[in-house]
Amino acid sequence: NFMLTQPHSVSESPGKTVTISCTRSSGSIASNYVQWYQQRPGSAPTTVIYEDNQRPSGVPDRFSGSIDSSSNSASLTISGLKTEDEADYYCQSYDSSNHGDVVFGGGTKLTVL
Amino acid sequence: QVQLQQSGPGLVKPSQTLSLTCAISGDSVSSNSAAWNWIRQSPSRGLEWLGRTYYRSKWYNDYAVSVKSRITINPDTSKNQFSLQLNSVTPEDTAVYYCARGPTPGIAAAGDFDYWGQGTLVTVSS
Repeated sequence: NFMLTQPHSVSESPGKTVTISCTRSSGSIASNYVQWYQQRPGSAPTTVIYEDNQRPSGVPDRFSGSIDSSSNSASLTISGLKTEDEADYYCQSYDSSNHGDVVFGGGTKLTVL
Repeated sequence: QVQLQQSGPGLVKPSQTLSLTCAISGDSVSSNSAAWNWIRQSPSRGLEWLGRTYYRSKWYNDYAVSVKSRITINPDTSKNQFSLQLNSVTPEDTAVYYCARGPTPGIAAAGDFDYWGQGTLVTVSS
């Protein structure tokens, strides 16, 4: 299995842009789709990005996803930050070498101050 | 609209079996385009995928290596639900447990966990 490594926390001011990284430890980041979930305290995670860069209906276009093969990482970018964006964010992918087992990143706490 | 409703005890004694059920509405446990997953979350381990069951002409199960020797996930087509059993629990199994609908597994897996249960805090303690 590979690991997905995220920064423990990030902080930024309202109206600014923040990027959260998710680095894959082995194998190519492009080999398997990456999803991003937002989780607020006391609630289950909800999807903000799926299949690297797709937004579910209802997710504002301030949220975008990308992958970078040179750094073997995926990124979640949130522009025009709002206080309501303060939450934990998790990346997730699949391990195709192990019948598609699911791998989660450790999560990033986003503070909007 | 798909809904997942979890049920089961919130307290389990060490060495005993943790049992949870996830009732599905708005979809079928026998769906040919979904897999039914159990995921847990704890401060020490973060989000951890435990396993899944899915139907593709026959039933399949996949389990995480970390719990493979102790876990069973079963579908119940008569009640349109699926269950989790985790044997020989220790305090390290204390976590919030979620059921979730996910995509078809495989080397080209695509898609997200789009519907989640409400979560059940299970504490392992005597």
